[in-house]
Order: sequence, then C-alpha cells, then structure tokens
Amino acid sequence: QVQLVESGGGVAQPGGSLRLSCAGSGFTFSTYGMHWVRQAPGKGLERVAFIGHDGSNQDYAVSVKGRFTVSRDNSKNTLYMQMSSLRVEDTAVYYCVKDHRDSSGITGGRDTWGQGTVVTVSS
Amino acid sequence: DIVMTQSPDSLAVSLGERATINCKSSQSLLYSFNNKNYLAWFQQKPGQPPKLLIYWASIRESGVPDRFSGSGSGTDFTLTISSLQAEDVAVYYCQQYYTTRTFGQGTKVEIK
Repeated sequence: QVQLVESGGGVAQPGGSLRLSCAGSGFTFSTYGMHWVRQAPGKGLERVAFIGHDGSNQDYAVSVKGRFTVSRDNSKNTLYMQMSSLRVEDTAVYYCVKDHRDSSGITGGRDTWGQGTVVTVSS
Repeated sequence: DIVMTQSPDSLAVSLGERATINCKSSQSLLYSFNNKNYLAWFQQKPGQPPKLLIYWASIRESGVPDRFSGSGSGTDFTLTISSLQAEDVAVYYCQQYYTTRTFGQGTKVEIK
C-alpha cells in the first residue's frame, strides 16, 4: 500500500527557513515524479513544485521560484523541500503527492496524496 | 499553466436531490494516445486532506459511493451527486493532471 508521510512543518519567522520531508513507502520511489501542493488557511489548492523521478527535472510555481528548492534522495525514498526567505503568505498545509505515471510512462490513472504538514510563518 | 474554472462557487441542495458541479479547463485535457481525460475530482471536509473521488474524468475511486459520478471530455467536465446525503457537505475541487497540476477554485456544497 502506497504511503506518503510528510514531516518538518512548524513555525518560522518571516525571512526564515524550513525543510520539509516526505517519506514514501509501498512503491518503487525512484521511478515516480513527485509534487508538492499547498493549501493556505481557508483557501484552495495550489501546486508548489515538481521533481522528476531521478531529480534531473524540477518545476516551480511563480510564487515560490527562487525561494524554494525541491530535491530527493532515492536511496532513502525521501522527497524534500527547502523553503527559504519565507513569507507570511507561505503559511499553509503542504502535501506531498506521488505522480500517477512512472518513468516508463505507465500510469495508474491517479496521483496519491499524503496527509500534509502544517507550516506557519509568523513573527 | 492550464486554468481551471469551476461553477458555481457554492451550491445548496436538499437532501436526496441532485447536485451538479461544472469544471472548465483553458485547454483540452484529452490525451489522444490513450483517449483519456486527465481530470480528477476531490472532496475536502474541514480539517482533512483532499479525498480523491474520480479520476480520468469518469472513473470512480475504490470505495467511493456510486451516487458520485463524473462526465465530460476535452475542456468541459461535470461532477454529479445523484442523491445528496448529509455526509456529502464539503468543498469539491477539480484538478487537471494533463501537465503539471492546477486546480479549480472549489465549490462549497451545503444542505438547503
């Protein structure tokens, strides 16, 4: 059974940093692209970043580009997001999402989501 | 990015009645090589993560009641709850996964 467990959330000051982690199990982690999606309090869902299965391809939302860095360690089955220069508007629940398609193009038709970790940016 | 637009923003329906939510994408979500529409529907209740209801526009996720159905193709999609139950009160989101990921703004469903 696919499991994604996020950690690393907490409280940070504006201008500060946090690193989120997402541990994957129940699937071959190294063959799937991974996403981060966030949801600010009372707001909708917003994509944040994507990283390809081998880490060679990354993509960011305009709102976080240059401040957030997505990475992965396939030997540890873990996805990361380094968040720097944090702003109050980065306050959100951050979800780790496994892509529906593996590196050979085979798709199961749907993504898989973790339970989320809460990030609060406040002075 | 592909823009997803849902309508209406909120909806009040009597118990047992039909609820219909529409979702329009700014470009086609149909992959010609497999004839699949890369459109999903999620349900979210307060304090919970989004729950997948429908993928590939019309395939019900395992365990989802059959009163939930999805339809549409290309750029226009619909989520229908055939007989609204009290536990269906939630916010519903459409999401495209044809390219990266973008979401509709959400539709809040309440009991009339």
